Amino acid sequence: DSGVTQTPKHLITATGQRVTLRCSPRSGDLSVYWYQQSLDQGLQFLIQYYNGEERAKGNILERFSAQQFPDLHSELNLSSLELGDSALYFCASSITGVEQFFGPGTRLTVL
Amino acid sequence: QQQVKQSPQSLIVQKGGISIINCAYENTAFDYFPWYQQFPGKGPALLIAIRPDVSEKKEGRFTISFNKSAKQFSLHIMDSQPGDSATYFCAASMGSYTGANSKLTFGKGITLSVRP
Repeated sequence: DSGVTQTPKHLITATGQRVTLRCSPRSGDLSVYWYQQSLDQGLQFLIQYYNGEERAKGNILERFSAQQFPDLHSELNLSSLELGDSALYFCASSITGVEQFFGPGTRLTVL
Repeated sequence: QQQVKQSPQSLIVQKGGISIINCAYENTAFDYFPWYQQFPGKGPALLIAIRPDVSEKKEGRFTISFNKSAKQFSLHIMDSQPGDSATYFCAASMGSYTGANSKLTFGKGITLSVRP
């Protein structure tokens, strides 16, 4: 157990809908990273927050957004969902900005 | 452009054998190279990592060998066990000494099967 928690574990929704994925980092970790894992693209970095502020962005779609709250938990919001958004979404946290510890992931299925 | 490439794509090893997974990178600004292990239905778990100022790092049965001039690094699993059967990802990031630019760039992953 990495100490990073993610909810929900599974999410099934329809195209065009909006969902929110939640992540609680390890105690004391200020950095939260979001990654998407799909069969064709592998593990891809989406976005990083550090102590409430956006620090880095990857190939994150404009339909996706994230934020980190004062208690350091983070949420990833996915809107206008498409079939191709079906994937595993992981968050990771780090205290050093180097070693990253991943949560168990949220499996999103868009029907 | 794939910045981190893994080989082979899959690997089958007998119990007790040595599993070797290779990784090549392109960006010389990378300065932190971790290996992650992922079991079905689980998140990637940090296994072992190395920085380019050392050529080898060993933790238990797991060893990373690093070749800076060739821009390659590899994971060796000694005395492979059926419980090691999983997907292994190599990754790379920059700014390991400052914590900046710390996003991980992953290889595609390789499935290891250890036969009893």
